[in-house]
Amino acid sequence: GNSVTQMEGPVTLSEEAFLTINCTYTATGYPSLFWYVQYPGEGLQLLLKATKADDKGSNKGFEATYRKETTSFHLEKGSVQVSDPAVYFCALRADGAGSYQLTFGKGTKLSVIP
Amino acid sequence: SAVISQKPSRDICQRGTSLTIQCQVDSQVTMMFWYRQQPGQSLTLIATANQGSEATYESGFVIDKFPISRPNLTFSTLTVSNMSPEDSSIYLCSVVGGLGETQYFGPGTRLLVL
Repeated sequence: GNSVTQMEGPVTLSEEAFLTINCTYTATGYPSLFWYVQYPGEGLQLLLKATKADDKGSNKGFEATYRKETTSFHLEKGSVQVSDPAVYFCALRADGAGSYQLTFGKGTKLSVIP
Repeated sequence: SAVISQKPSRDICQRGTSLTIQCQVDSQVTMMFWYRQQPGQSLTLIATANQGSEATYESGFVIDKFPISRPNLTFSTLTVSNMSPEDSSIYLCSVVGGLGETQYFGPGTRLLVL
């Protein structure tokens, strides 16, 4: 079956440090890949997505590139801000018409020290 | 993007009672889902809410425990029946919007069962 593996958290960084949160997946075909973010006390928000190999999703300074050869979708940000602390979830949606179910990773909690 | 609201936003309930959670979307959507996020965990799909027919439940979830209604294309309810402390979770409604590529989530209902 499909699965998503994220790096274990929590991750604590100083403000303006470089962020990488690793995400690898197991799925057949060409799934769509997503990063969702959950800020403290809030619901889940879509951060970025990529639907085919070599696509790069980007939003709010965050980027992730769909790497089919390594089955990865690592999240990166060049300079974390004090507004970025949240839990970040990597997710995939299986390839195929009518397939909508998302499979989530366990989430990685990010803290930022001013 | 679809705007999703849920009611109640949070509740504290007694063991053995039931709670119905409402999900309202600002536009007609084909697919609606209910997820559970247990404390410190990732999201798990409970069921797909089908308009005009019975919901489709994932392994480990049953209709008697989590009855779902979907009377139209903008509204759904999830009932958590005969609650126990193990049901304490965040329950999230989600929909597939636009071209069907992106899944949007409601703000969640935070349930605590005593």
